Amino acid sequence: NAGVTQTPKFRVLKTGQSMTLLCAQDMNHEYMYWYRQDPGMGLRLIHYSVGEGTTAKGEVPDGYNVSRLKKQNFLLGLESAAPSQTSVYFCATRDKHNEQFFGPGTRLTVL
Amino acid sequence: AQSVSQHNHHVILSEAASLELGCNYSYGGTVNLFWYVQYPGQHLQLLLKYFSGDPLVKGIKGFEAEFIKSKFSFNLRKPSVQWSDTAEYFCAVSGNTGFQKLVFGTGTRLLVSP
Repeated sequence: NAGVTQTPKFRVLKTGQSMTLLCAQDMNHEYMYWYRQDPGMGLRLIHYSVGEGTTAKGEVPDGYNVSRLKKQNFLLGLESAAPSQTSVYFCATRDKHNEQFFGPGTRLTVL
Repeated sequence: AQSVSQHNHHVILSEAASLELGCNYSYGGTVNLFWYVQYPGQHLQLLLKYFSGDPLVKGIKGFEAEFIKSKFSFNLRKPSVQWSDTAEYFCAVSGNTGFQKLVFGTGTRLLVSP
């Protein structure tokens, strides 16, 4: 089992460009999350999903959109990237015992 | 609102030294508590968790943590650290009903010198 995978691993964007980060899981978990990790700030929740077809805002949702069309995939979109969105992005799933499983991360730089 | 405070941002120890990382939380209800570790260049991995029962929980790699409800604390300990414990450690808290959003502390960077 691959667990939680993320693509791409690295990306450099120019201000104003758009991109989509893909998270895929093979654990059949209902809950999925997108976090961003910034130095000295820990992980902050961007958006989350409690099941296929549902999404909700987390702590820092501005500038991001998400979709959960299939249970195994959770997409994070940046419509117009800004330098403040330079970060490491982690996807996670949660099992029925409330344990979260993290993907390897995507390092995004916005110039 | 939930919050987690990790007192030490950076800790430097020599191998075989004992480790204790502080974690205090604020939450108005029954909590689930977690410690995650992030080795350099890797993703977060669960070290240990507390849901209920014995407040002293043991995790992987010789780590343990004690939940002290009266102090709203969940400190992480290891009697003797190794160079391979060099990593960033995150404390996290969630409620145990409803959505159970996980709130992370800002992390503690541990450097263990050989």
